[in-house]
Amino acid sequence: QVELVESGGGVVQPGRSLRLSCAASGFTFSNNPMHWVRQAPGKGLEWVAFISSDGSDKNYADSVKGRFTISRDNSENTLDLQMNSLRTEDTAVYYCARALLRGAHYFDYWGQGTLVTVSS
Amino acid sequence: DIVMTQSPDSLAVSLGERATINCKSSQSVLYSSNNKNYFAWYQQKPGQPPKVLIYWASTRESGVPDRFSGSGSGTDFTLTISSLQAEDVAVYYCQQYYSTPLTFGGGTKVEIK
Repeated sequence: QVELVESGGGVVQPGRSLRLSCAASGFTFSNNPMHWVRQAPGKGLEWVAFISSDGSDKNYADSVKGRFTISRDNSENTLDLQMNSLRTEDTAVYYCARALLRGAHYFDYWGQGTLVTVSS
Repeated sequence: DIVMTQSPDSLAVSLGERATINCKSSQSVLYSSNNKNYFAWYQQKPGQPPKVLIYWASTRESGVPDRFSGSGSGTDFTLTISSLQAEDVAVYYCQQYYSTPLTFGGGTKVEIK
């Protein structure tokens, strides 16, 4: 069965960096676009970033553009999110999510999420 | 950016009664070339990730009970729970995938009256 497992969350000071990873299994990872979606404590869902199935196309929310970088390794079935210059407003649970296919970016599988807390 | 506005923010419904949630997009999410609405509904229970219920505005995800249905087109959409069950207590979100940035509604909390 499809499984997405995030890791790398934790407590970090403002201005510092953190790298999140998502390990995928149970499907052909290289076939699907992947996304990061976050949820601040007690708040709604916010899309963060997208990467195409082959990694050639990427897109970011304005709130993270220039600070976050999404990447994937199709040989290792992993999705990453490099987060630099972190701000307190980046505090959230970060989910990796699978999009079913190109052009249909709704999320049919989600990981359990990893909590990132940006605080001094 | 396409803004998604859900209503109401919360609602309390008696067991077995109908629950209706609305979502309005600031621009049409209907793609004319294939006549598909790039629109989905999710359910999120406490401590869990969201789960897709409906995509293409009205297609029920496999395994989702048929008491959940989606309707609407263009800019106005509705999620209906025909007979509320205790396990349906959750927050429900709409999402458009017509264009980036992908955007979600603010959520509707459904409780038992």
